[in-house]
Amino acid sequence: NAGVTQTPKFRILKIGQSMTLQCAQDMNHNYMYWYRQDPGMGLKLIYYSVGAGITDKGEVPNGYNVSRSTTEDFPLRLELAAPSQTSVYFCASSYGDREGGNQPQHFGDGTRLSIL
Amino acid sequence: AQTVTQSQPEMSVQEAETVTLSCTYDTSENNYYLFWYKQPPSRQMILVIRQEAYKQQNATENRFSVNFQKAAKSFSLKISDSQLGDTAMYFCALLLLGTASKLTFGTGTRLQVTL
Repeated sequence: NAGVTQTPKFRILKIGQSMTLQCAQDMNHNYMYWYRQDPGMGLKLIYYSVGAGITDKGEVPNGYNVSRSTTEDFPLRLELAAPSQTSVYFCASSYGDREGGNQPQHFGDGTRLSIL
Repeated sequence: AQTVTQSQPEMSVQEAETVTLSCTYDTSENNYYLFWYKQPPSRQMILVIRQEAYKQQNATENRFSVNFQKAAKSFSLKISDSQLGDTAMYFCALLLLGTASKLTFGTGTRLQVTL
């Protein structure tokens, strides 16, 4: 049981390049999330998904796209990378129901992304 | 919109002593959960403790306990018998029920445990 797996762990991009951050979970969680953590700050929600085929914007979605074709995977795509997207990115998952909050979020180890 | 405020950017405590980290939050909702997450230098996000807002009893997990004051919208974390392994960033987070379990995080408190 690996939990939440993020790849890669580190990446350097040039301005204008694109890339996909991978996230996979093996806990059969229906809810998945992408956060970014800027230096000295807490985590901010980029996108989230409540199930396969369903995604929605979080607090800071601009410059990113997501898809959720399977329960296990929730990739985050950066198009036209900008220096402002330099951050540490965390993927998380949880089991959610209509009440919410019954299960805590499990986090991956993060991806450190630098845009130069 | 809900907010979470951690007013102590950094704190230091000696090994075996007790330290309290502060957190205040703001929401107009009545049904929510509160969490404390620990982020050591390894960067992992580790759940420390959680509190359901409808419960009056304060949550405890071994050396970690909270002081939940719902009327004051305060949620502090007390760490007893501090250990070197407690050195980390600590984040307070709020989750509103019925919102797809989305978390709102504070900016964190960096705790250093010294000998």
